[in-house]
Amino acid sequence: DAEITQSPRHKITETGRQVTLACHQTWNHNNMFWYRQDLGHGLRLIHYSYGVQDTNKGEVSDGYSVSRSNTEDLPLTLESAASSQTSVYFCASSPGTGGETQYFGPGTRLLVL
Amino acid sequence: AQTVTQSQPEMSVQEAETVTLSCTYDTSENNYYLFWYKQPPSRQMILVIRQEAYKQQNATENRFSVNFQKAAKSFSLKISDSQLGDTAMYFCAFPPKGGTASKLTFGTGTRLQVTL
Repeated sequence: DAEITQSPRHKITETGRQVTLACHQTWNHNNMFWYRQDLGHGLRLIHYSYGVQDTNKGEVSDGYSVSRSNTEDLPLTLESAASSQTSVYFCASSPGTGGETQYFGPGTRLLVL
Repeated sequence: AQTVTQSQPEMSVQEAETVTLSCTYDTSENNYYLFWYKQPPSRQMILVIRQEAYKQQNATENRFSVNFQKAAKSFSLKISDSQLGDTAMYFCAFPPKGGTASKLTFGTGTRLQVTL
């Protein structure tokens, strides 16, 4: 069955380290998204991609980067982890034809010490 | 700016009863989609229901239905015959611009507790 996976599911890192969170989908969806979830804020969009080689900033993109070299993967990189980036991160994908549902991965819980 | 507001941080309902979660949004668009997502304790985000703004008829999915009032920019979720498994956070979501759901803005969520 097609799915969307994230790895790792849990990670602890130190301030200043570079961290990469993986997202992989097997639906062949054009659109992929990264959100962070914090108490009191719901989900907020970090970065998104509408296809290979396409990346765009969301509302909370500072300190994060993404790259899209193939359809299946959209890794999220924290260039220099900060305590403010402690959060739960969700990856999502959608077909890209407009008006469609986003399908979410299981989430990655990141703790920056 | 496009916004989504969920004014009920927490709600409680007894099993088998009906509960309505509210959501309002702001947009200048005419054609768009609205979504309700459920997040149970497992943290998985699960689509509950979707409404297309150009459709007059309110969407329904089994025990879940919406009351969509376009002029009032209101999109409430009604859960009938509540079950213990409905206990979760519920998020209203809306694409900030344009007629596609390519990006979503989420409300802050309503925590629903279903009790015996």
